[in-house]
Amino acid sequence: GAVVSQHPSRVICKSGTSVKIECRSLDFQATTMFWYRQFPKQSLMLMATSNEGSKATYEQGVEKDKFLINHASLTLSTLTVTSAHPEDSSFYICSARSPRRANQETQYFGPGTRLLVL
Amino acid sequence: KNQVEQSPQSLIILEGKNCTLQCNYTVSPFSNLRWYKQDTGRGPVSLTIMTFSENTKSNGRYTATLDADTKQSSLHITASQLSDSASYICVVSAVDSSYKLIFGSGTRLLVRP
Repeated sequence: GAVVSQHPSRVICKSGTSVKIECRSLDFQATTMFWYRQFPKQSLMLMATSNEGSKATYEQGVEKDKFLINHASLTLSTLTVTSAHPEDSSFYICSARSPRRANQETQYFGPGTRLLVL
Repeated sequence: KNQVEQSPQSLIILEGKNCTLQCNYTVSPFSNLRWYKQDTGRGPVSLTIMTFSENTKSNGRYTATLDADTKQSSLHITASQLSDSASYICVVSAVDSSYKLIFGSGTRLLVRP
């Protein structure tokens, strides 16, 4: 199946710093990528939808100035957590959608990035 | 409101036993329903995906069923193995242009030796 990678797999940073997480679709072009956040023992919560070449669409309650999303190419989207605080510590997962597989499994998830803000 | 509810919230079974997880949804208009397995600290991995016209789909020891009339789905795991210990998430997609997925809260399965 399709492969989506994330980098880094885990990151520890000091409060107030910014962290960039990359999401890449390795064997297909993804016109749409999604960013999720998952807290312990909870399901995934959609943060934003990222379309290549346009601004991301953020879910209600997600600060777009804090979580900067860039989808500069069909294989790469980045999420930057700006001025991170301990409450931003979470598991961040991206998914990528392939438009050519409209009636099949269309979203492929990355392995996730564990962020810990001290 | 589009919702997906799963039961049970958690489940403990002995290795080798079978189990069935349930999913009810109120998503409209319905596009497809997916079951994912998520190991701790990992991203979800797709097990099955079913559209409106499909009643059942298997993937090895995993068999999913779908009743579009009652808006219910189940995931049956046969001859469980220790490696089946994970969270199983039911996800429903609606027919619209956003391609958003609606997630259930998951069932945490623990398989004991």
